[in-house]
Amino acid sequence: GAVVSQHPSWVICKSGTSVKIECRSLDFQATTMFWYRQFPKQSLMLMATSNEGSKATYEQGVEKDKFLINHASLTLSTLTVTSAHPEDSSFYICSATEPGAYEQYFGPGTRLTVT
Amino acid sequence: RKEVEQDPGPFNVPEGATVAFNCTYSNSASQSFFWYRQDCRKEPKLLMSVYSSGNEDGRFTAQLNRASQYISLLIRDSKLSDSATYLCVVKEYKLSFGAGTTVTVRA
Repeated sequence: GAVVSQHPSWVICKSGTSVKIECRSLDFQATTMFWYRQFPKQSLMLMATSNEGSKATYEQGVEKDKFLINHASLTLSTLTVTSAHPEDSSFYICSATEPGAYEQYFGPGTRLTVT
Repeated sequence: RKEVEQDPGPFNVPEGATVAFNCTYSNSASQSFFWYRQDCRKEPKLLMSVYSSGNEDGRFTAQLNRASQYISLLIRDSKLSDSATYLCVVKEYKLSFGAGTTVTVRA
């Protein structure tokens, strides 16, 4: 099956700094990538949908200036958490779909801890 | 109201037992339905799609009741490796996840 990678797998940063998370589709071209966030014992919540070469579509309540998404190529999307705060500590997961397909392939996730 | 609601469990069952649980969803326009499995601190993985007629995949049986807007999952002959959190997922234009039902299978 299709493989999606994320980097880093975990990161600890100080409050006020920015963190960039990469999501790559390794063996297919992903026209659409999704970014989710999951707090402990809660459901995955879609943050934004990004299409290659265009601006991301953010879900209600997600600050686009705080969570910067770039989808510059068909195999790479990045999420930058700007000026991170402890409440941004969470499990961030990306997923990707192939053109014309419905199944989403999930990356292994990035665990962010902001101290 | 949450889009997808699940009993969080945990369901603690012995090996070989049958365990069943369900979820309810609020969006009547949902078109696709899935069960995902998520292990601790890992990404969710697709377990099976759920069809209106009900479907089976080995020891797993899924049912969908559109009129009542609920989906069920039944696991027969539980294995230790079935211990995980099972996520109910529905889709209209995007995937909406439940918070998951935790199943623990004991030896």
